[in-house]
Amino acid sequence: KNEVEQSPQNLTAQEGEFITINCSYSVGISALHWLQQHPGGGIVSLFMLSSGKKKHGRLIATINIQEKHSSLHITASHPRDSAVYICAVLPLTGGGADGLTFGKGTHLIIQP
Amino acid sequence: AAGVIQSPRHLIKEKRETATLKCYPIPRHDTVYWYQQGPGQDPQFLISFYEKMQSDKGSIPDRFSAQQFSDYHSELNMSSLELGDSALYFCASSVRTSGSLYNEQFFGPGTRLTVL
Repeated sequence: KNEVEQSPQNLTAQEGEFITINCSYSVGISALHWLQQHPGGGIVSLFMLSSGKKKHGRLIATINIQEKHSSLHITASHPRDSAVYICAVLPLTGGGADGLTFGKGTHLIIQP
Repeated sequence: AAGVIQSPRHLIKEKRETATLKCYPIPRHDTVYWYQQGPGQDPQFLISFYEKMQSDKGSIPDRFSAQQFSDYHSELNMSSLELGDSALYFCASSVRTSGSLYNEQFFGPGTRLTVL
C-alpha cells in the first residue's frame, strides 16, 4: 500500500467547475507539498503546508494533520489548469533535507 | 527570479555507458535533492545533500553516485547504464532556515535521459 494515496486518479471537468483533489497519507509528516506537472514538463511547487489552509489565486490547499488528509481545490477552473497534480509528503524524521514521498498524481483535464 | 537549472535537458546514451547530470540550485540554497521519474511513474527520491554532505538516501542504485560541490551545484554520475535508467531526473533545491523542521523544495525542469 502506498504511503500517499490520491483521488481521483483521473478527472475530467468542464471549464468553470470547482475542482477538488484529495490526498491521504499513512505516515507522520513534517509538511505536505502540492505540485503541478504538465505533460513532459517540469514540476512546479504550488503549496507547502503543515497545518490549516493556504490560498493562491484560484488555488486553495487545506490539510488536517489529525486525519492525515489534504485537499487541493481549484475554483473557476480553466483549460490551462489541465495537468497532473501531485501530493508529496515530507516524512517526520530528524533531518531537514529528506526526500519527498510522492502520490501517483491526479490527471486533470478541463474541457472548454 | 532565478530557478533551479539542470543540464543537459536531454541526453541519449547507449547501454553500459556513463552519464553525468548537473544541477545548479537557486542562489543561496544550500540543499539539493535528486529524484527519478520513470515513464508513467511517480517520482522517486534518490539522494540529497546539505552543505556538501550527503543528507538523506533513497532508492539510488549502487551504480549511481552524486556529490555537491563548494558552489553548491550537484552532479549525479550514472555508470553502466541500463535500459531501465531511462527516466526524467529532477533536481530540487531548498534553503535550511534556523528553527525550521522543513524547507520548501523548488524543482528544476528535469533532464530526460534515454538509454538505447
